[in-house]
Amino acid sequence: QTVVTQESSLSVSPGGTVTLTCGLSSASVSTTSYPSWYRQTPGQAPRTLISSTNVRSSGVPDRFSGSILGNKAALTITGAQAEDESDYYCMMYMGSGIYVFGGGTKLTVL
Amino acid sequence: EVQLLESGGGLVQPGGSLRLSCAASGFRFSGYAMSWVRQAPGKGLEWVSSVTDDGADTYYADSVKGRFTISRDNSKNTLYLQMNNLRAEDTAVYYCAKDRRVAPLYYFEYWGQGTLVTVSS
Repeated sequence: QTVVTQESSLSVSPGGTVTLTCGLSSASVSTTSYPSWYRQTPGQAPRTLISSTNVRSSGVPDRFSGSILGNKAALTITGAQAEDESDYYCMMYMGSGIYVFGGGTKLTVL
Repeated sequence: EVQLLESGGGLVQPGGSLRLSCAASGFRFSGYAMSWVRQAPGKGLEWVSSVTDDGADTYYADSVKGRFTISRDNSKNTLYLQMNNLRAEDTAVYYCAKDRRVAPLYYFEYWGQGTLVTVSS
């Protein structure tokens, strides 16, 4: 069974740049994994940030960008703000109708 | 404005059943796949199940296969999740989501606020 891997936690300074990654235990991530990214603050529903590797959802600031870096999907936040402190989840489409989420990255802005 | 409103959560004993509903508005419900995603207390997101726009095809995570059934009523703009033989590990907030599952898009576009299911004796 394929596992989607993410850093458990990361930190960034206000105004800094941070890259969160999302990998697959059994293969390299490609655009045909259709990686997507979601942000969630405690007690709130998830919010969609990025779809299909690098397509920002409506209303998402352009400091959020998605890409493929090496064999992983990546979410880069450029010019981090205090409000970006959240849990971030990636998700991959595995084919045959199946989605798998990563375990999430807790991002601290300090 | 897209709105997804879940209901039907609550406390249920192990082995019991519960049916969740998700009332959709603000978009053409019959034109989109829909999904359920859950989050156990203090844990990450877990995809549970999806159904195609016409209800013809359904998909399940291994953890719920054979116990949960997803369905939809396009005349009522409502998504359902019938949960049987519930276990303690099914305790979670259950979210419904508008599912854009057609190449090159495979992602959840909008999310509801969730409904809490607690399985405990």
